[in-house]
Order: sequence, then C-alpha cells, then structure tokens
Amino acid sequence: RKEVEQDPGPFNVPEGATVAFNCTYSNSASQSFFWYRQDCRKEPKLLMSVYSSGNEDGRFTAQLNRASQYISLLIRDSKLSDSATYLCAVQMNTGFQKLVFGTGTRLLVSP
Amino acid sequence: DTEVTQTPKHLVMGMTNKKSLKCEQHMGHRAMYWYKQKAKKPPELMFVYSYEKLSINESVPSRFSPECPNSSLLNLHLHALQPEDSALYLCASSQVTPGEAFFGQGTRLTVV
Repeated sequence: RKEVEQDPGPFNVPEGATVAFNCTYSNSASQSFFWYRQDCRKEPKLLMSVYSSGNEDGRFTAQLNRASQYISLLIRDSKLSDSATYLCAVQMNTGFQKLVFGTGTRLLVSP
Repeated sequence: DTEVTQTPKHLVMGMTNKKSLKCEQHMGHRAMYWYKQKAKKPPELMFVYSYEKLSINESVPSRFSPECPNSSLLNLHLHALQPEDSALYLCASSQVTPGEAFFGQGTRLTVV
C-alpha cells in the first residue's frame, strides 16, 4: 500500500461548482498534513496546512480525520484559475524532515 | 523575499558529462531539500540538509552528490547520469516544518 494515496482524476467541474478531494495515508503516526497546488510544468506551491481542527482560507477548506486516516480539501465556487493538480503531503513521524507527497488530483474547471 | 532560485532552468547533458545544479534562498531557512519529479508523478525526496548538514539521503545513487556550501546555497553535482535520470529537479527550503516549504522553479534535466 502506498504511503499517501489520491484519486488522480481528472475532476471536471463547471465554474461555480463545489468540489472535494480526499487523500489517505497509511502511517498512523504521521504528524502533519498539507495541501499543495502544482500548475502544469511549474513547481508545487503550498496551498494550506491541515490542522486537527480543520482549516479554512477563503473558498478552500481542509479537514483531517485521524481515525480514518484521511485528509480532505473542499473548494467552493470553483474558478477557472483553480485548474491545477492538487497534491497532498504528509510529514512522517520517523525522520521528521521527510515529506511524502501523494500522486496528486487533477482538477479542470470549465466555463 | 520569498523566493528559491534554481539555475539552470534547463539542462541537457551527456552520460559522460559532469554538471551541477544550483539553488539559493535568502529567507533564513535552515532546512533545504532536493526532490526529483518525473512526469505525472509526485515529487520524490532525495536529500535533506538541516543546518548545513546532510540529515537525510533517500538511498540516492552516488552519481548524485549534494553539497551545502552555506546556509543559503545548495548544490547537486551530477556525474555519469543515465537517461532514466531525466526529470524535473526541485529544490525547496523551509524554516522548521518541512511541509511548509517553498520550492524553486526547478531544473528540467535531460540526459542523452
């Protein structure tokens, strides 16, 4: 089983739609969780950290479910500019500086 | 200044060449990273430097040799690479938490 798994998509949604992605992780001792955004042929950019209590930033909401070992990202009122690949990242407990990325979920927002 | 700068942006090298990738950050971050990313795959960790010392080597072949001359600079020396080493090489830095990292734009490497 992969350490961090995501549905690769693509998720095709119209502008204004609400879309949600999940990411599961296998190591129950994982410490911290993050969502990154990566545009085609660009570098990943941190979108948001995922706290135990959840985290909201504008149209984006991230949640953590430790019992079921997954994190989620909800995007409301999708914009064309939200089209990208969304990578979840998990900081492992062993070797605290090790960050493991999921394969990413591709989002395509259409007019 | 919240930038991580990588040079060169593109590199084509032969299997017998020696080349170096360079990375620079001026955010005062104490951890710096090299990642490798193949097309349609996630970034894979190669090396971590913490306070200028190598703290993680993810069993990377010796044809990749990292170097951290000072707290702002990170190099990746390349020698006798194989065509399958062609990829996007990303440098990143972070203050403490590796998950809150800033990435450079990457060097797109092609080995011929």
